[in-house]
Amino acid sequence: EAQVTQNPRYLITVTGKKLTVTCSQNMNHEYMSWYRQDPGLGLRQIYYSMNVEVTDKGDVPEGYKVSRKEKRNFPLILESPSPNQTSLYFCASSLRPGRGFSTDTQYFGPGTRLTVL
Amino acid sequence: AQSVTQLDSHVSVSEGTPVLLRCNYSSSYSPSLFWYVQHPNKGLQLLLKYTSAATLVKGINGFEAEFKKSETSFHLTKPSAHMSDAAEYFCVVSAGGTSYGKLTFGQGTILTVHP
Repeated sequence: EAQVTQNPRYLITVTGKKLTVTCSQNMNHEYMSWYRQDPGLGLRQIYYSMNVEVTDKGDVPEGYKVSRKEKRNFPLILESPSPNQTSLYFCASSLRPGRGFSTDTQYFGPGTRLTVL
Repeated sequence: AQSVTQLDSHVSVSEGTPVLLRCNYSSSYSPSLFWYVQHPNKGLQLLLKYTSAATLVKGINGFEAEFKKSETSFHLTKPSAHMSDAAEYFCVVSAGGTSYGKLTFGQGTILTVHP
């Protein structure tokens, strides 16, 4: 089954304790992206990757890191989490990055609910 | 630059009545436009997508949206609401220019369906 998976689905941690949220897709997609969802703000892009070893900042990258060493995986790293990073996180992927009319549909993972105390 | 404004944060309808969720966008380039739906505690599912082939786009579950360039709008409609339509809906724009793969989401509209 074609899908985007994220782990863990739920995580409660404390300020300053490094954590990684994994994202994996089995569709051979070039493009992957991380979003955070906060009430009243919709989804905001954190980082994206147009292919292996190619990553770039989205709208809210502060406090996050990513890497893309393999095509299927795109982990999100919080080196020193803070309470303002408490949020619902989504990973997404699409066949190609595209733009405008050539934008491919992005497929979303199930989400990771992170609480930082 | 691109932006999306969903004009209603909450919409409440009765089962069997029409649904209208409003979305306005701005974009410096010809955009793709999407509607996604998120059911409680679920991920996002694509409802429909506009990419210039036709201004009236039909999606899943009886939803459709009309692209109106002159009004910069992409409103989502459904003739008859069902209880299972209760969810949060997001209007999304992807512009051209140098914005490869960048999606900008609206703030979301929560749809409530009353029996």
